[in-house]
Amino acid sequence: EAQVTQNPRYLITVTGKKLTVTCSQNMNHEYMSWYRQDPGLGLRQIYYSMNVEVTDKGDVPEGYKVSRKEKRNFPLILESPSPNQTSLYFCASSLLGGGSGYEQYFGPGTRLTVT
Amino acid sequence: AQTVTQSQPEMSVQEAETVTLSCTYDTSESDYYLFWYKQPPSRQMILVIRQEAYKQQNATENRFSVNFQKAAKSFSLKISDSQLGDAAMYFCAYRSRSGTYKYIFGTGTRLKVLA
Repeated sequence: EAQVTQNPRYLITVTGKKLTVTCSQNMNHEYMSWYRQDPGLGLRQIYYSMNVEVTDKGDVPEGYKVSRKEKRNFPLILESPSPNQTSLYFCASSLLGGGSGYEQYFGPGTRLTVT
Repeated sequence: AQTVTQSQPEMSVQEAETVTLSCTYDTSESDYYLFWYKQPPSRQMILVIRQEAYKQQNATENRFSVNFQKAAKSFSLKISDSQLGDAAMYFCAYRSRSGTYKYIFGTGTRLKVLA
């Protein structure tokens, strides 16, 4: 089954404790992306990657890191989480071109709470 | 920079009736994709419909159709014969076809379906 998986689904942590949210896709997509969703703000793109070792900032990259060492994986790293990073996080993937129209496939979301 | 605006935070529709959700966007590009995504209470992001800017014909998917007005930079979603399962948050999104690979989402419209 074609899918994007994220782990963990729920995470409660404390300020300053480094954490990683994993994202993996099995569709051989070149493009992967991370979003955060906050009430009234919609989805905002944090980082995206067009292929292995190619990443770029979205609209809200501060406080986050990413890496793309393998095509299928795109982890999101919070090296020193703060309460303002409490949010719902989505990973997504898509093809870069062709007839797909850049349709993104989303993971199930990770609810992160930083106290 | 591109922007996407959804001016209706919340809408209601009677079951079996028709409702239209508004979306406007701003861009200087001529070639791009527009999307409507649905987010039910499960939080899963589901693609509803996609429109390619170079196509004049409005996209349709069963009970869902769009009114794409390129000159006015408007991309509204019409849901016909509304069903209880249509109740969700709906997001409009923009994606350039070339150049930057960012996705831009609107802030969402919460649709309530009344029985």
